[in-house]
Amino acid sequence: DSGVTQTPKHLITATGQRVTLRCSPRSGDLSVYWYQQSLDQGLQFLIQYYNGEERAKGNILERFSAQQFPDLHSELNLSSLELGDSALYFCASSGTEGGPLHFGNGTRLTVT
Amino acid sequence: KNQVEQSPQSLIILEGKNCTLQCNYTVSPFSNLRWYKQDTGRGPVSLTIMTFSENTKSNGRYTATLDADTKQSSLHITASQLSDSASYICVVRLTGNQFYFGTGTSLTVIP
Repeated sequence: DSGVTQTPKHLITATGQRVTLRCSPRSGDLSVYWYQQSLDQGLQFLIQYYNGEERAKGNILERFSAQQFPDLHSELNLSSLELGDSALYFCASSGTEGGPLHFGNGTRLTVT
Repeated sequence: KNQVEQSPQSLIILEGKNCTLQCNYTVSPFSNLRWYKQDTGRGPVSLTIMTFSENTKSNGRYTATLDADTKQSSLHITASQLSDSASYICVVRLTGNQFYFGTGTSLTVIP
């Protein structure tokens, strides 16, 4: 068990809708990273937060946004969903910037 | 062109056999390199981490090597088990806070 919790595990929604994915990092970890993994693809970095502040941005669409709250949990908001957004979304946390990444088990999003 | 390339893309081996997975990277400035194991539908789990000065690091039946001069790493698995079936991902961290992920090698161990 990595100590990183992601909810929900599965999400099925229709095109055009909006969803929120939640991540609770390992206790004490200040950094939270979000990744997208499409079928048979590698992990694509979306965004990173450190202690509530956005620290780095990857290939994140404008329809997507995220935030990290004072209690360090993070949410990834996906709006105007398209079929191509169907993927596994992983959250990872680390205790120090650039330290080992600890991954949650992901949220599987299916857009129909 | 992916800045972290892994080969082979997929591999099938018999239980008990050894195998070696490759990772070549072009990104810099290098800080460390990690190998992760990802079971289907699960999050990746770290196997080894290697810094610039380390050439070899072992974790049980997993042995990673690093040649920072040629920017190559390998992961050797000895006496493979059915539970080794997974995707193995090479991740390069740069000084600063950037991570570059390979697309992984899918390993299948058959009885």
